[in-house]
Amino acid sequence: KAGVTQTPRYLIKTRGQQVTLSCSPISGHRSVSWYQQTPGQGLQFLFEYFSETQRNKGNFPGRFSGRQFSNSRSEMNVSTLELGDSALYLCASSRTSGAYEQFFGPGTRLTVL
Amino acid sequence: DAKTTQPTSMDCAEGRAANLPCNHSTISGNEYVYWYRQIHSQGPQYIIHGLKNNETNEMASLIITEDRKSSTLILPHATLRDTAVYYCIVRVANTGANSKLTFGKGITLSVRP
Repeated sequence: KAGVTQTPRYLIKTRGQQVTLSCSPISGHRSVSWYQQTPGQGLQFLFEYFSETQRNKGNFPGRFSGRQFSNSRSEMNVSTLELGDSALYLCASSRTSGAYEQFFGPGTRLTVL
Repeated sequence: DAKTTQPTSMDCAEGRAANLPCNHSTISGNEYVYWYRQIHSQGPQYIIHGLKNNETNEMASLIITEDRKSSTLILPHATLRDTAVYYCIVRVANTGANSKLTFGKGITLSVRP
């Protein structure tokens, strides 16, 4: 079956702009989590959505937000982009929240100039 | 979630077993040990998890000490494609828990020809 897909794969924005990233989970999966990966901070948890509700949130400013639709697809939004937001953004899906196995997508590489 | 400690890097010869250690001395009774790996420029990939018994699947074996304070991931016949960063993570996993994974720096495994 198809894996987790993320769009776009690459994105270039300038400071002050906003961006929306999309994640389509594996069919039947209802939990979607988002992570930011940078060389300095490594992989950091942003938030998790399950059944259209935010279930958990990491330690990121309010400029980072997300949502989940009834078909379990999820989007994350970053407003007022800063240079430090340049990162690989990964989403992971699982059947339920707290499930043993999570499946990660290939990520969206965001570059902020 | 309990914190884990891993060596920074290790290498092994192709075809030999790779034994990747992890310390998790503050693990709680309801926390599982998970291993994920991330091949360069890809999303992390689930490998295996366990609570207290040793586990084996088609990818690897997980050996957990009796006191559960440390574990070892074993790749029985390492190949060049196993070159990656391997993350040892401990977390509660059951219905009602959230899906947050706390990644450390991981251990970089280099498999040499």
